[in-house]
Amino acid sequence: AQKITQTQPGMFVQEKEAVTLDCTYDTSDPSYGLFWYKQPSSGEMIFLIYQGSYDQQNATEGRYSLNFQKARKSANLVISASQLGDSAMYFCAMREGEDSSYKLIFGSGTRLLVRP
Amino acid sequence: DTGVSQDPRHKITKRGQNVTFRCDPISEHNRLYWYRQTLGQGPEFLTYFQNEAQLEKSRLLSDRFSAERPKGSFSTLEIQRTEQGDSAMYLCASSFPRADTQYFGPGTRLTVL
Repeated sequence: AQKITQTQPGMFVQEKEAVTLDCTYDTSDPSYGLFWYKQPSSGEMIFLIYQGSYDQQNATEGRYSLNFQKARKSANLVISASQLGDSAMYFCAMREGEDSSYKLIFGSGTRLLVRP
Repeated sequence: DTGVSQDPRHKITKRGQNVTFRCDPISEHNRLYWYRQTLGQGPEFLTYFQNEAQLEKSRLLSDRFSAERPKGSFSTLEIQRTEQGDSAMYLCASSFPRADTQYFGPGTRLTVL
């Protein structure tokens, strides 16, 4: 069965420093996708970054990069140069398979607090 | 604004009442999803539409829940005889055909008293 594990309930980071949010996953399907979403206190889930299981290079989107280690089944999010506006909940998610609903399975999230 | 919209944003109701939520996806997105998020947890999948067809339902979707997408555009999620356990954030998302990325709306926060 699919599973996403985020072991850090909360993290602190100093403004302008980098931070890594951990995510491990479990699947037996060779084709899958991994996502990170940001959820501010307003509640909306904001898409940050995507990594496909067959992608050879780690995904990057501006200050966000995904450290994809397939053998370890980990997909950690790295945020560089943290900003106060990065304070939010961060969710790792996975979709499994190609001929399916593409529904997402989410982890329990990590609350990030950026200190000035 | 061309993002996913949801209405209402907040709903407070008494136990036993029926409630209905609406989701308007991004235009041209033929896939539409409903998720439920309880406090301190990640969202959980409820149901999925491709155009007007409801193709998958989670076991979380009890017989008190019904979802429709009559013309393949907006969708409604109705909860009948609400219970306190139904209190949650209900999120809607949409995506292009066979595309990975789902874009979420702001959610409807339901409180059942």
